[in-house]
Amino acid sequence: NAGVMQNPRHLVRRRGQEARLRCSPMKGHSHVYWYRQLPEEGLKFMVYLQKENIIDESGMPKERFSAEFPKEGPSILRIQQVVRGDSAAYFCASSPQGTGGNTEAFFGQGTRLTVV
Amino acid sequence: KQEVTQIPAALSVPEGENLVLNCSFTDSAIYNLQWFRQDPGKGLTSLLLIQSSQREQTSGRLNASLDKSSGRSTLYIAASQPGDSATYLCAGEYNFNKFYFGSGTKLNVKP
Repeated sequence: NAGVMQNPRHLVRRRGQEARLRCSPMKGHSHVYWYRQLPEEGLKFMVYLQKENIIDESGMPKERFSAEFPKEGPSILRIQQVVRGDSAAYFCASSPQGTGGNTEAFFGQGTRLTVV
Repeated sequence: KQEVTQIPAALSVPEGENLVLNCSFTDSAIYNLQWFRQDPGKGLTSLLLIQSSQREQTSGRLNASLDKSSGRSTLYIAASQPGDSATYLCAGEYNFNKFYFGSGTKLNVKP
C-alpha cells in the first residue's frame, strides 16, 4: 500500500503563472487535507475535502487558491497568478475517515513551490 | 484561539543523552495530540498519537505524555542517536480534521 503521493516534488513557477499540485491519497482513504509550511514556520491548515466535497476551507486564502477532490483521480490544489509569497512547501494528508478519535492522518512528502 | 508552542526551537546534544522536547497548547479542549518527525526536504512521519483520554504513549525509545490541565505535552527520547537528528513537530487537534502545528524543535545529536 503506497503512502500519500504528491507530485511534483518540486515546482518552479514565474510570477503570474498557475501552479497545480496533485495529491493521491492512500488506498482506501476518502478524506484529504492540505497544509502549507512557510520557511521556518509550522504547518498551517488550508482545506479539508472528502470526495467531491469541500468540508472546511477556513484556512484557504480568499483569492487565487482553490482545491478539489473529484470522484476519480487525485486531489488538486490550484494557485492562480502566483506571487513570491506563495513560495512554500505544500503538504497533503489523507485518512480513511475523519480524524479526531484514534484515526491518524498520513502525510505525503510535500511539494516545494518556488516562485521566481 | 488555538496556539501550539514548542520550546526550545533548537537543541544540540551528544549521542547517548536522554532528552525532552516540550510542547504547550492554549486550549485544553483538545481531541488528540500527535508528534511528528520531519527530515530536511522530506515529509512528516508520525511518531506517536495521544488521544485526549490517554496520558502517554510509548514506541521504542520514544515516550510522549499529555497533560491537558496544564496544556503541555512532552516527547522523551531515550539514549539519543545521530539518526534521531531531525525537526520534531507537535500538533494539537481541536476540531475534527484540523491540526494546529507548533514551529518545531530542531534536534541535532552529535556523534
